[in-house]
Amino acid sequence: DVVMTQTPVSLPVSLGGQASISCRSSQSLVHSNGNTYLHWYLQKPGQSPQLLIYRVSNRFSGVPDRFSGSGSGTDFTLKISRVEPEDLGDYYCLQSTHFPWTFGGGTKLELK
Amino acid sequence: QVTLKESGPGILQPSQTLSLTCTFSGFSLSTYGMGVGWIRQPSGKGLEWLANIWWDDDKYYNPSLKNRLTISKDTSNNQAFLKITNVDTADTATYYCARIAYGLRRGDYWGQGVMVTVSS
Repeated sequence: DVVMTQTPVSLPVSLGGQASISCRSSQSLVHSNGNTYLHWYLQKPGQSPQLLIYRVSNRFSGVPDRFSGSGSGTDFTLKISRVEPEDLGDYYCLQSTHFPWTFGGGTKLELK
Repeated sequence: QVTLKESGPGILQPSQTLSLTCTFSGFSLSTYGMGVGWIRQPSGKGLEWLANIWWDDDKYYNPSLKNRLTISKDTSNNQAFLKITNVDTADTATYYCARIAYGLRRGDYWGQGVMVTVSS
């Protein structure tokens, strides 16, 4: 299975500040069709995960441009600028290039 | 508007079979490229992708549970199902279903989840 390693596990931030979360995979996430299936989710307390970024850098419908994704191969980053209260929660990366699809262990974004 | 909602037994005993239903609207599992996935999350822990079913009835199972999982669909009633046989306490979790698109391979809309407890 592809192991997805997210860092940090906990990320204290100030409102209005910036946050960066790393997701590294144990093997390349480039599919044989040339696409890279790496996605980012936010799970707010008591809620189901919501899709933020798909295929590395594409914002899902309604996601503010404060969220941006980047990376390639095995190394990916989610950046959040101008952090707002509704951004707090658990962030997960998901790879769906290889079966079984696997998630990172999660990063808790919390107030400093 | 895409919505999904999971339902299940709430609590069951070890060795029983867990039956989950995902009832959805806003898309059809008879449409090319559409699928439904099942994901679970033990309380306070991370996410595990379990199984997918696609518009053409193709299925995918996580090998770690493959022999215990059965995924199916009822296209007419906009439902997808997951059965897990021989449950034990390690299967205690919140179970989610999500819409997936074949080309994008992402779960874009998720249900609210259903909590399942396995206890004697």
